[in-house]
Amino acid sequence: ETGVTQSPTHLIKTRGQQVTLRCSSQSGHNTVSWYQQALGQGPQFIFQYYREEENGRGNFPPRFSGLQFPNYSSELNVNALELDDSALYLCASSPPGTSIYEQYFGPGTRLTVT
Amino acid sequence: QQPVQSPQAVILREGEDAVINCSSSKALYSVHWYRQKHGEAPVFLMILLKGGEQKGHEKISASFNEKKQQSSLYLTASQLSYSGTYFCGTPTYYGNNRLAFGKGNQVVVIP
Repeated sequence: ETGVTQSPTHLIKTRGQQVTLRCSSQSGHNTVSWYQQALGQGPQFIFQYYREEENGRGNFPPRFSGLQFPNYSSELNVNALELDDSALYLCASSPPGTSIYEQYFGPGTRLTVT
Repeated sequence: QQPVQSPQAVILREGEDAVINCSSSKALYSVHWYRQKHGEAPVFLMILLKGGEQKGHEKISASFNEKKQQSSLYLTASQLSYSGTYFCGTPTYYGNNRLAFGKGNQVVVIP
């Protein structure tokens, strides 16, 4: 148990639709990162939020966007879904302080785009 | 740029030892190791920092060779619970924990 929760667990969407995935971090963790994990691959960094501001972004298009809220929850929004967006989406929270800290991953949301 | 992990897969019997590797083409300041079991979230194993500091809470040990830009994870006297896919992650920039992960080492421990 990492104390990080995600919802929903599974989701099926149609190409072109929009989706919002949710994450609740451990209390006191003011940094949250989102990763996309395709089948058989390692997690790929999407972006990170620190104190409600985007704090770094990976190689993902602008249709991937996020929000972080004061209560340590966050959202990942994906517009104009494509078939390749089908993957496991993981959020991971980190304690405040220095940047060299372990990340606590949530169980993920499995997104299927048809 | 993502690190490269080898071997892709290893099968070993309970009690045997194995080494899995993670290497990078760019300078490494830290290496983060996680283990993921099928259908579950990655679980933190340890962080290896430049200068030799190591943070972790597993019986699994690791090394970090800054000059060779690589890290190795040592599975000693393996247990059935060691089965899973091991990922190494390296910071995208110095001093951050926005990680680029390798493709993973699949480890299967059989009785």
